[in-house]
Amino acid sequence: GESVGLHLPTLSVQEGDNSIINCAYSNSASDYFIWYKQESGKGPQFIIDIRSNMDKRQGQRVTVLLNKTVKHLSLQIAATQPGDSAVYFCAEKEGATNKLIFGTGTLLAVQP
Amino acid sequence: KAGVTQTPRYLIKTRGQQVTLSCSPISGHRSVSWYQQTPGQGLQFLFEYFSETQRNKGNFPGRFSGRQFSNSRSEMNVSTLELGDSALYLCASSITGQANTGELFFGEGSRLTVL
Repeated sequence: GESVGLHLPTLSVQEGDNSIINCAYSNSASDYFIWYKQESGKGPQFIIDIRSNMDKRQGQRVTVLLNKTVKHLSLQIAATQPGDSAVYFCAEKEGATNKLIFGTGTLLAVQP
Repeated sequence: KAGVTQTPRYLIKTRGQQVTLSCSPISGHRSVSWYQQTPGQGLQFLFEYFSETQRNKGNFPGRFSGRQFSNSRSEMNVSTLELGDSALYLCASSITGQANTGELFFGEGSRLTVL
């Protein structure tokens, strides 16, 4: 079936370090790529998105990079904090729809 | 501003039964989509509704159905429950059905356990 990022790695970082979470996507026709954060017991929360015609977008403490040549997406979190501990999902969507195709997620564990 | 509200939060059913889950989107949001989350399959798209019309449907059997009401509230139904239907069912809303962004607002989900 359709899928984005078939791995579920765990990334452990020290508080204050920068984190980089990676994702591979499958659909070249996707026009938006998105990162969501999911804390235990909660629904996913939007972090940042990037259009397919861009290769970088910055938010508050976060940067998303898109490499369409190798179908790769990454999320960089600067100065990682304990509150950043969560599962991070990449997702993609195509066209005027709210159908998102999610990756399997990466668990980010921030050590104090 | 209230977020997306899903009810019930937790429920337990037995195989063969049916279940109805409810979702109230953020006020003013007209698009509602549903996702199933399991440890094995991750987050999978079920369907999307906009203005009471189903716009998209994922790869789920016909036992999974949904609808949207004129006030944008949505329900999904699963009939003839199977053990594999145990999951967290998430509802997400957005202002329009033609979002030029990836931002959906998710509820906290309904945790279904099928025994």
